[in-house]
Amino acid sequence: TQLLEQSPQFLSIQEGENLTVYCNSSSVFSSLQWYRQEPGEGPVLLVTVVTGGEVKKLKRLTFQFGDARKDSSLHITAAQTGDTGLYLCAPNTGNQFYFGTGTSLTVIP
Amino acid sequence: ETGVTQTPRHLVMGMTNKKSLKCEQHLGHNAMYWYKQSAKKPLELMFVYNFKEQTENNSVPSRFSPECPNSSHLFLHLHTLQPEDSALYLCASSQESGAGPTDTQYFGPGTRLTVL
Repeated sequence: TQLLEQSPQFLSIQEGENLTVYCNSSSVFSSLQWYRQEPGEGPVLLVTVVTGGEVKKLKRLTFQFGDARKDSSLHITAAQTGDTGLYLCAPNTGNQFYFGTGTSLTVIP
Repeated sequence: ETGVTQTPRHLVMGMTNKKSLKCEQHLGHNAMYWYKQSAKKPLELMFVYNFKEQTENNSVPSRFSPECPNSSHLFLHLHTLQPEDSALYLCASSQESGAGPTDTQYFGPGTRLTVL
């Protein structure tokens, strides 16, 4: 079992603010995925990062994979109410993906 | 819209009941998964099927019994469950090459199960 920590566990912000959530581990991963899960739905893939130091942008979302491939961050610029949801990171050990407990984000209008 | 459907979306059952959850994927994938999602816990992988063969059973109690009749359908048969089994049960599918890391998983909306 991989030790995987996502922080913060809960985050509530005003619309228009910026935020960063983190996914940390002591293990090295071959790749890592970020998912968003909205209430009453299953997780939906946002991005896959593979290379250490890689940065990917998806509109207002910026994903970074740590240089050592042990951690990742997700930065949201000018959050909108539609960003509300549970953000899950899923590192790949080479055999399967593991999921963190997630960061529950609430964007208040 | 993910191409993975699950029925029912909500299920309430007593501890002595027998019920089944159904998952269907319309993506042409060759691997299917059952996950359990409980409050404040990570997604827990329960079962994996590759090419209709079960490849993983992560110490899941025998009161949960999976069935994969073909690559598009996956069932989870439930029997004499406990209240602590109440959770969101998610099905996922992916296309596995068998030669490398697990590819992207596509999730269904889940079945919200409550055991009384």
